[in-house]
Amino acid sequence: NAGVTQTPKFQVLKTGQSMTLQCAQDMNHEYMSWYRQDPGMGLRLIHYSVGAGITDQGEVPNGYNVSRSTTEDFPLRLLSAAPSQTSVYFCASSKTPRAMNTEAFFGQGTRLTVV
Amino acid sequence: AQTVTQSQPEMSVQEAETVTLSCTYDTSENNYYLFWYKQPPSRQMILVIRQEAYKQQNATENRFSVNFQKAAKSFSLKISDSQLGDTAMYFCAFRGSNYKLTFGKGTLLTVNP
Repeated sequence: NAGVTQTPKFQVLKTGQSMTLQCAQDMNHEYMSWYRQDPGMGLRLIHYSVGAGITDQGEVPNGYNVSRSTTEDFPLRLLSAAPSQTSVYFCASSKTPRAMNTEAFFGQGTRLTVV
Repeated sequence: AQTVTQSQPEMSVQEAETVTLSCTYDTSENNYYLFWYKQPPSRQMILVIRQEAYKQQNATENRFSVNFQKAAKSFSLKISDSQLGDTAMYFCAFRGSNYKLTFGKGTLLTVNP
């Protein structure tokens, strides 16, 4: 019962470096999303996907790219890391994007520090 | 756009006592779902309880219950018989017709022995 798996759990980047945060789910969920959590800000939606091949922007998409080539994987790419991207990142998945009551399952988060 | 407001950044309660966390939201929609998520120090997000807007009966899950006031757009969480393991950040969340989950800023609850 792996659920939603995020890697890595911790990462330190230098300004300007690029990296990919990995997210995989084994529940055959259609809907996947990325959030960032900052102190006093709650969780804010970065990007989401309603199925393989379909992605869209959330509330704070600038500086991030995503792709969804398979149902299972939804990587988040930081193209040129900035200190403002220091945050905890969560990947989440839900069974379907078309049911309001569906539970979101979260990964354990990635703490990213950009220096 | 929907907004979710949690007006209490921090709260504390003694073990075995009852505490209520507040949440208000703003929407023009008539049907939607509201959620409370718990985030303990482990950082894992855990669903505590959910409520459908069309249901007048308040949801209950063991020691956790909600007071849902649709007209007032209020969705508070009551934790009875608080336990040390309830110490966590609690997030209120809204999902409406666009199916995106919108979170409040959270309330940090500390249960004291």
